[in-house]
Amino acid sequence: EAGVAQSPRYKIIEKRQSVAFWCNPISGHATLYWYQQILGQGPKLLIQFQNNGVVDDSQLPKDRFSAERLKGVDSTLKIQPAKLEDSAVYLCASKGQMNTEAFFGQGTRLTVV
Amino acid sequence: AQRVTQPEKLLSVFKGAPVELKCNYSYSGSPELFWYVQYSRQRLQLLLRHISRESIKGFTADLNKGETSFHLKKPFAQEEDSAMYYCALRNSGYALNFGKGTSLLVTP
Repeated sequence: EAGVAQSPRYKIIEKRQSVAFWCNPISGHATLYWYQQILGQGPKLLIQFQNNGVVDDSQLPKDRFSAERLKGVDSTLKIQPAKLEDSAVYLCASKGQMNTEAFFGQGTRLTVV
Repeated sequence: AQRVTQPEKLLSVFKGAPVELKCNYSYSGSPELFWYVQYSRQRLQLLLRHISRESIKGFTADLNKGETSFHLKKPFAQEEDSAMYYCALRNSGYALNFGKGTSLLVTP
């Protein structure tokens, strides 16, 4: 099956600028996750969608981060304005209803300078 | 609070030697644990999960509820096993809570 697609692969921005990441999950997968992975750490959940509804966004810094999944398929994650500490790899993952495995995309590496 | 601890940042072994990557967890309910692996320049992928009780690429992991551990083991390490390994605990909402990861380096 085709994997989770993310774009862009790399992004460099200045602090206080805005940035958006895009994710296309595996076809038919109802659950979509965004994780943040800071260098030297494991991925940390930012937000979880079930179809187009938010299941968990307790760790999303809502003053600057936002995410949507309008039609229950693709998703975008936005940061506005970015801070230096937002430099990380942003991973998207999706999971179908009938299996327990989450499949990950290649990630977007964000550098804030 | 649930937590996953991987005490070793880096583990270096010789080819053919046994390897054990440690993972300890804290969780109030019935845990569901996974090992994910990330090879160089590849995406994060599932290696194995405790409910399957399977061996993948020679790796096994046993859930020890008494010691709250889920250590990953392989009797004879291969160079192609060199990668980042993450232990993860699934929460009640079916999202994964990851440890910080252990970098395994297998040298010839």
